[in-house]
Amino acid sequence: DAKTTQPNSMESNEEEPVHLPCNHSTISGTDYIHWYRQLPSQGPEYVIHGLTSNVNNRMASLAIAEDRKSSTLILHRATLRDAAVYYCILRDLGNQFYFGTGTSLTVIP
Amino acid sequence: DTEVTQTPKHLVMGMTNKKSLKCEQHMGHRAMYWYKQKAKKPPELMFVYSYEKLSINESVPSRFSPECPNSSLLNLHLHALQPEDSALYLCASSPPGGTYGYTFGSGTRLTVV
Repeated sequence: DAKTTQPNSMESNEEEPVHLPCNHSTISGTDYIHWYRQLPSQGPEYVIHGLTSNVNNRMASLAIAEDRKSSTLILHRATLRDAAVYYCILRDLGNQFYFGTGTSLTVIP
Repeated sequence: DTEVTQTPKHLVMGMTNKKSLKCEQHMGHRAMYWYKQKAKKPPELMFVYSYEKLSINESVPSRFSPECPNSSLLNLHLHALQPEDSALYLCASSPPGGTYGYTFGSGTRLTVV
C-alpha cells in the first residue's frame, strides 16, 4: 500500500486560508487521493477526494500536482470548527484504506 | 439515511466478559470495515467485509471476532480482552472500489478493566 507523508502539526489564524500539504511519491496510476478530518472524540469525516484534476466542494479544494506525487488540501477561510486532525490517504481499487499519521491543525482566534 | 450508526457509544467490560459492538448502515454500501484507534494515533484497519464476506483480516487476535449477518449490519464480538485493547473502535462503510469515499460512525469507546 502506498504511503503518505504529512507535517505533524500546523497553525492558522481564523478566517485565513490554510494549505495542508501531503507527499505521496509512490502513488500508482489507479490510486485516488482522499482527505478526511477527525475532530476530538468523533469518527473521521470525509472532506474531499480526487484522481488527477483539482477538485472543489463546499468544504475545501484539493490541488493535485501534475506528477501526482503530492497534493494540497485548501481550506479557504479557516474557522475554529476546522481545528482537527487532517488525514491524507491513498485508496487503490481494492478495499484497503490505511491512515497515515495526519496533520493536527490549530486555528488561532 | 447517510449515516453509520454504532452502538453502544461507551462500553466498560471485564477481562472475562463477552460483549459485542454493533454497526449499521442503510446506504446500500457493500463494503464495511472495523478500525481500532488508540489515543493520539491514527485509526488502524482490523477487518474488511466485501459483499458480506470477510476479505481482509489484518492479523487481528482471535479474541476479536467479526460478523456480517447481512449487507446493513456489522458486528464485532469481544471475548477475553486485555486492558491494552481499550480504544475507540470505528466502523465505516463504502461502495466497493477506490472511486468512493468512506462514511465513518462516531465509534464505540471501549474500556477493558
